[in-house]
Amino acid sequence: SAVISQKPSRDICQRGTSLTIQCQVDSQVTMMFWYRQQPGQSLTLIATANQGSEATYESGFVIDKFPISRPNLTFSTLTVSNMSPEDSSIYLCSVAPGAKGEQYFGPGTRLTVT
Amino acid sequence: TQLLEQSPQFLSIQEGENLTVYCNSSSVFSSLQWYRQEPGEGPVLLVTVVTGGEVKKLKRLTFQFGDARKDSSLHITAAQPGDTGLYLCAGVSGTYKYIFGTGTRLKVLA
Repeated sequence: SAVISQKPSRDICQRGTSLTIQCQVDSQVTMMFWYRQQPGQSLTLIATANQGSEATYESGFVIDKFPISRPNLTFSTLTVSNMSPEDSSIYLCSVAPGAKGEQYFGPGTRLTVT
Repeated sequence: TQLLEQSPQFLSIQEGENLTVYCNSSSVFSSLQWYRQEPGEGPVLLVTVVTGGEVKKLKRLTFQFGDARKDSSLHITAAQPGDTGLYLCAGVSGTYKYIFGTGTRLKVLA
């Protein structure tokens, strides 16, 4: 298993600004994942972050809008750039440390863009 | 595009009732996971099923993986208010390839 913390837990930001979300894991993991979730709805994968290489983005998500850093095996950041109200959502990071690919999620960051 | 459809989308039941949530796809998965998410928290893994036809029990929860590994069900017996939450299935294909279902929001009334 893994214990994941995220900062901030929530934020209210103005249109046009950027927010960086931090994700810290209590053990070393190869892959980290970033998801977006509208309240009460399912998860949409933004990107997969492997330490030491560029993140892999899913269709509809681009690096200029959602730059990701992965400086070591326990930490990652996701930046939401040039925010608009459509970026208001919950952002979750997760890891899958075991052989079965079972994911462990952080508590999420609730972002509101005004 | 792979899709995982869950039904029902919403379910509100009385404490003590039974319910079944379905997770269906036209794609084959190597395994399927079920998660429960409560407000303000991330999803928490309940179970992983790997073999076609596999049945796993977790107290009052029974999970089944379809024979063809395209679908799954979650049955809750004698639901309790603590079962309230968003239930998500996730199909796994390949390494680190996850497709999350559309979600089922369950509310159990005392």
